[in-house]
Amino acid sequence: DIVVTQSPDSLAVSLGERVTINCKSSQSLLFNSNNKNYLAWYQQKPGHPPKLLLYWASTRASGVPDRFSGSGSGTDFTLTISRLQAEDVAVYYCQQYYVTPDTFGQGTRLDIK
Amino acid sequence: EVQLVQSGGGLVQPGGSLKLSCAASGFTFSVSAIHWVRQAPGKGVEWIGRIRTRTNNYAAAYAASVKGRFTVSRDDSRNTAYLQMNILQTDDTAVYFCARMNYGMDVWGQGTTVTVSS
Repeated sequence: DIVVTQSPDSLAVSLGERVTINCKSSQSLLFNSNNKNYLAWYQQKPGHPPKLLLYWASTRASGVPDRFSGSGSGTDFTLTISRLQAEDVAVYYCQQYYVTPDTFGQGTRLDIK
Repeated sequence: EVQLVQSGGGLVQPGGSLKLSCAASGFTFSVSAIHWVRQAPGKGVEWIGRIRTRTNNYAAAYAASVKGRFTVSRDDSRNTAYLQMNILQTDDTAVYFCARMNYGMDVWGQGTTVTVSS
């Protein structure tokens, strides 16, 4: 199985500041035939299901604010929030869908400093 | 409105069984793969299984933690997916979610709680 590891486990950032969350896969998620990385990012708030933020590592899902962006390829990926807002407090997960079983990272908890 | 509505959770004794339902509306269910994800109390999310479409022979797959005990299925005529859970163990206690898989899981059910306890 592909192991997906996020870092850090938690972080606290001031409002308006930049947030970076990393996701590392134990094997490449890049499918050469279509040049796409099979990685998604989710945001989960307490009492709610996860919400899809990004797919193909960097494509924003419908309705997701443009302060959220994704980058990376192969085995190393990054979720960036350009200017943290109060409503961004949540747990963030990356997920690989390159191969079954799909696997999630352990999650990164984001709080306001 | 595009949505998945779940039902069927509850309290069950160890070794017991439970069947969860995931009813779709607002989109063409028959062309959508459905995945199941669970979240134990205070823990992260865990993928547990999926069922593909008729075009893909209704192919099912499972996480090692549930393989042989859980079965995913679907009834396209009812726009509903199911998760049959047998030989439940205390560490199966979790909130269970169904989700539509597109490029990423873009539509989620509200979740249903399964508690395995004597």
